[in-house]
Amino acid sequence: DTGVSQNPRHKITKRGQNVTFRCDPISEHNRLYWYRQTLGQGPEFLTYFQNEAQLEKSRLLSDRFSAERPKGSFSTLEIQRTEQGDSAMYLCASSFRQQQETQYFGPGTRLLVL
Amino acid sequence: AQSVAQPEDQVNVAEGNPLTVKCTYSVSGNPYLFWYVQYPNRGLQFLLKYITGDNLVKGSYGFEAEFNKSQTSFHLKKPSALVSDSALYFCAVRVAGGGYNKLIFGAGTRLAVHP
Repeated sequence: DTGVSQNPRHKITKRGQNVTFRCDPISEHNRLYWYRQTLGQGPEFLTYFQNEAQLEKSRLLSDRFSAERPKGSFSTLEIQRTEQGDSAMYLCASSFRQQQETQYFGPGTRLLVL
Repeated sequence: AQSVAQPEDQVNVAEGNPLTVKCTYSVSGNPYLFWYVQYPNRGLQFLLKYITGDNLVKGSYGFEAEFNKSQTSFHLKKPSALVSDSALYFCAVRVAGGGYNKLIFGAGTRLAVHP
């Protein structure tokens, strides 16, 4: 499978715990995006990387959220001190240099904070 | 503010009938418009996009969409619906500026195709 992959697919955690999600983009895609999707809503943009540089962060990304893409390949999204309001599907997408406008999404990580 | 509206929460269609899923947008400058489909417990799958050129764009699985600048709409269509088309459909617009490609999505429309 050469699509975007995300791990884990599901995560259940207790309030106050830290969680980390991983995204592996399509090979040679230089741009990587994180979105959050809550029930009944469309995805909302969180942050964006071009190679290893994080170029934009949404106001939705509070100080408890941090994202990295250390070598310009895979990315991690960490949520510290999780809250019940963090429960959502976290989606990763990537796009190719020659066709930047089209983003290809992974299957998502569904987070449930108890 | 840039936004996307999908006025119907759900569209019901009989198998074999044509379907339309509506989308209107508000964006500064020329829009890049997209349709994605989401099946249960899956990520978003790209269907088609409008960048420039012909107002009727064709995409995957027999879907097409018509860009109408005067009505600021980008409705998704298919001549003959299949039960397997039942899913959640999202319209999205690219936010212009900065060279970035942040997408703004509508709330989604659930398509139910009945046998």
